[in-house]
Amino acid sequence: AQSVTQLGSHVSVSEGALVLLRCNYSSSVPPYLFWYVQYPNQGLQLLLKYTTGATLVKGINGFEAEFKKSETSFHLTKPSAHMSDAAEYFCAVSEERNQFYFGTGTSLTVIP
Amino acid sequence: DTAVSQTPKYLVTQMGNDKSIKCEQNLGHDTMYWYKQDSKKFLKIMFSYNNKELIINETVPNRFSPKSPDKAHLNLHINSLELGDSAVYFCASSHLDRRTEAFFGQGTRLTVV
Repeated sequence: AQSVTQLGSHVSVSEGALVLLRCNYSSSVPPYLFWYVQYPNQGLQLLLKYTTGATLVKGINGFEAEFKKSETSFHLTKPSAHMSDAAEYFCAVSEERNQFYFGTGTSLTVIP
Repeated sequence: DTAVSQTPKYLVTQMGNDKSIKCEQNLGHDTMYWYKQDSKKFLKIMFSYNNKELIINETVPNRFSPKSPDKAHLNLHINSLELGDSAVYFCASSHLDRRTEAFFGQGTRLTVV
């Protein structure tokens, strides 16, 4: 069975503060993991992905995520939040036939 | 250059009507998808086509019928629309390789009244 759990459907941070969005997964095959961002009334845009190799992956807009197999986690971080980071964030795992399973999403609010 | 484009962006229609949403990608991908995003933002795959062949068909009412005339196009036709069909529908495309990401269209917001 495969699933993605995002803890915290809503996260609020102050501008300039650390952003931490949590994602845990379960997968029957070696996991390939993705983080997407969705701005209001837009489609999903890839932030970063982990397939193989280095477990700390860097993405766009200053985001990064670390794959921890022992914890089955792929948490997303950004050292300093910006107002433009306010959006919905989705963690996803790809399974056979490239079927993507998405978490329920985390809405990030940045407080000025 | 729009990578994955879907039309229309907004669709308001009455219950019982039949409607179609079109999707085209110019990325050279061999796999295309339809996802449904409900009011709580939950994304669920509906269908997936690889080189015009259906490879994923989740539990979706048979009122929903995808059609792929070629690998760059995947259209979604919905018969006898119901209130519960109101959602945002996303088209996406990728290579058939688990390591590659999917590229999403801007979405079609369907409202059934």
